[in-house]
Amino acid sequence: EVQLVESGGGLVKPGGSLRLSCAASGFTFTNTWMNWVRQAPGKGLEWVGRIKSKTDGGTTDYAAPVSGRFTISRDDSKNTLYLQMNSLKTEDTAIYYCTGAGVTGILDYYSMDVWGQGTTVTVSS
Amino acid sequence: QSDLTQPASVSGSPGQSITISCTGTSSDVGTYNLVSWYQQHPAKAPKLMIYEVSKRPSGVSNRFSGSKSGNTASLTISGLQAEDEADYFCCSYVGSKILAFGGGTKLTVL
Repeated sequence: EVQLVESGGGLVKPGGSLRLSCAASGFTFTNTWMNWVRQAPGKGLEWVGRIKSKTDGGTTDYAAPVSGRFTISRDDSKNTLYLQMNSLKTEDTAIYYCTGAGVTGILDYYSMDVWGQGTTVTVSS
Repeated sequence: QSDLTQPASVSGSPGQSITISCTGTSSDVGTYNLVSWYQQHPAKAPKLMIYEVSKRPSGVSNRFSGSKSGNTASLTISGLQAEDEADYFCCSYVGSKILAFGGGTKLTVL
């Protein structure tokens, strides 16, 4: 069964840091481009960033609001995706979803065909 | 503020068809055939319904279809069913390796 399971969410003060993890199973993680998407309470979806597979360069891209503060990385030996969040702001409060592109055979790196259930990050003093 | 504009809400009766629009610009939706659509039920993770403007993933009902004209992409749901009531989000490649979502549309089945 294809599965993504996020963890690491919690309450953090403004200016603080947090690292989210996403454990992947049921598919070839090594070959998969992975994304983080977030959803603030009662709001819409917001793309956070992406990391390509190592065979495609392993490079990362970020949305403007998080660029320079957030870092996406992956450990293919552990089938795990990470999101390091620094200098957190109250507006970073959201559910953070880990997503995969092309997992189910779709040859489209820019859509997200597998989603985790999300982990909640609350930034508040 | 989203890069892509969707109506806040649409509604329809069971059996009817509805269309949700997603308007971008000539630099994103108008240029790239990389528009996807996601369905989200309350307190659930989103689900991919359409990718590359009009392609349906395996397992998605053929009542869902996508199209594009100029800078506007559209999601059409035919034969509306109660289970279709959900939020729908479009997403497009907007250049510079960046993705952007629309603000979302709440579909109510009357």
